[in-house]
Amino acid sequence: DAGITQSPRHKVTETGTPVTLRCHQTENHRYMYWYRQDPGHGLRLIHYSYGVKDTDKGEVSDGYSVSRSKTEDFLLTLESATSSQTSVYFCAISLGGSEQFFGPGTRLTVL
Amino acid sequence: EDQVTQSPEALRLQEGESSSLNCSYTVSGLRGLFWYRQDPGKGPEFLFTLYSAGEEKEKERLKATLTKKESFLHITAPKPEDSATYLCAVGPNTGTASKLTFGTGTRLQVTL
Repeated sequence: DAGITQSPRHKVTETGTPVTLRCHQTENHRYMYWYRQDPGHGLRLIHYSYGVKDTDKGEVSDGYSVSRSKTEDFLLTLESATSSQTSVYFCAISLGGSEQFFGPGTRLTVL
Repeated sequence: EDQVTQSPEALRLQEGESSSLNCSYTVSGLRGLFWYRQDPGKGPEFLFTLYSAGEEKEKERLKATLTKKESFLHITAPKPEDSATYLCAVGPNTGTASKLTFGTGTRLQVTL
């Protein structure tokens, strides 16, 4: 398995509360990505990072922010969680325009 | 806008019954087409990257092929442990990051 961990693995929270998900890699890959996976939609890119402090938006970035202060860590923050953000969140890493390797996922439920 | 369509949505095979999964795509310049396997409750596991039409890759009972409009994942003599959801994704030939567009997957069940 690629050296990718995600924390927490499961979280239940209430509408309006802030939530931060963490992705940690030990592979020293330059690129890191956050996706969400929902039935009928497949995996959709939220944000990605191409280096420390360098991030950009993906397809479904509204309501999410990210930060990358170290090569190994990529944080996804929901400033004020909504029920529509209930999903499974996956982090991925890559060396560049190549295949991505995924973490185990975080299941988030917003009540 | 890049698009990926996978068919069928679900497929049930008996052990040893070969078949193919389809991935049709439209992309503004293909950098690569990627196949993944996903087991329930886990993250996608990388299988293959295909870069140009005519390319083929093999791994055990799986073979992936690529044309200019679609890719096939051929499963030869499947076993129950091949049961999983198979995802296809395309990466555009722009920028350096791999901003993939995924299909919704084919759910494969292989029975004894």
